[in-house]
Amino acid sequence: EAQVTQNPRYLITVTGKKLTVTCSQNMNHEYMSWYRQDPGLGLRQIYYSMNVEVTDKGDVPEGYKVSRKEKRNFPLILESPSPNQTSLYFCASSLLNLARTPNEQFFGPGTRLTVL
Amino acid sequence: SQQGEEDPQALSIQEGENATMNCSYKTSINNLQWYRQNSGRGLVHLILIRSNEREKHSGRLRVTLDTSKKSSSLLITASRAADTASYFCAPGGSGNEKLTFGTGTRLTIIP
Repeated sequence: EAQVTQNPRYLITVTGKKLTVTCSQNMNHEYMSWYRQDPGLGLRQIYYSMNVEVTDKGDVPEGYKVSRKEKRNFPLILESPSPNQTSLYFCASSLLNLARTPNEQFFGPGTRLTVL
Repeated sequence: SQQGEEDPQALSIQEGENATMNCSYKTSINNLQWYRQNSGRGLVHLILIRSNEREKHSGRLRVTLDTSKKSSSLLITASRAADTASYFCAPGGSGNEKLTFGTGTRLTIIP
């Protein structure tokens, strides 16, 4: 089944304790992206990747890191989480069209992160 | 990146009625996508309309695009309780790899 998986689905942690949220897709998509969703702010893009070893900042990259060592995986790393990173996080992937912009994005189920 | 702005923010209608929501954006686009999100879940792609298309249909969905007004609309006909969700538009800019979402329209279908 074509899907995007994220782990963990729920996480409660404390300020400063490094964590990684994994994201994996089985559709051979070039494009992968991380979003955070907060009430009243919609979805905001954190980082995206056009292909292996190619990553770029989205609109809210501060406090986050990503890597794209393999095409299928795109982990999100919080080196020193803070309470303002409490949010609902989504990973997504898609093919790129001829204009090298993302087509239909497939979203993971979300990771609800609470930083105390 | 540019963000689509959905309007209205919230909409409640009776089951069986049609629902229309709008999206405005600021700069030129390559395509525009509409997504649905059920509470707390990942977004689901509904339809993609290219900049050279004016209208597109998918089942009970009809999307229009007016590039001169930089706006799009999503019409859901014969609404059902299962259509209760938030709807987002995402304008895809020319040569822009970022796909940004707005705050969405929260649609409630009253049985």
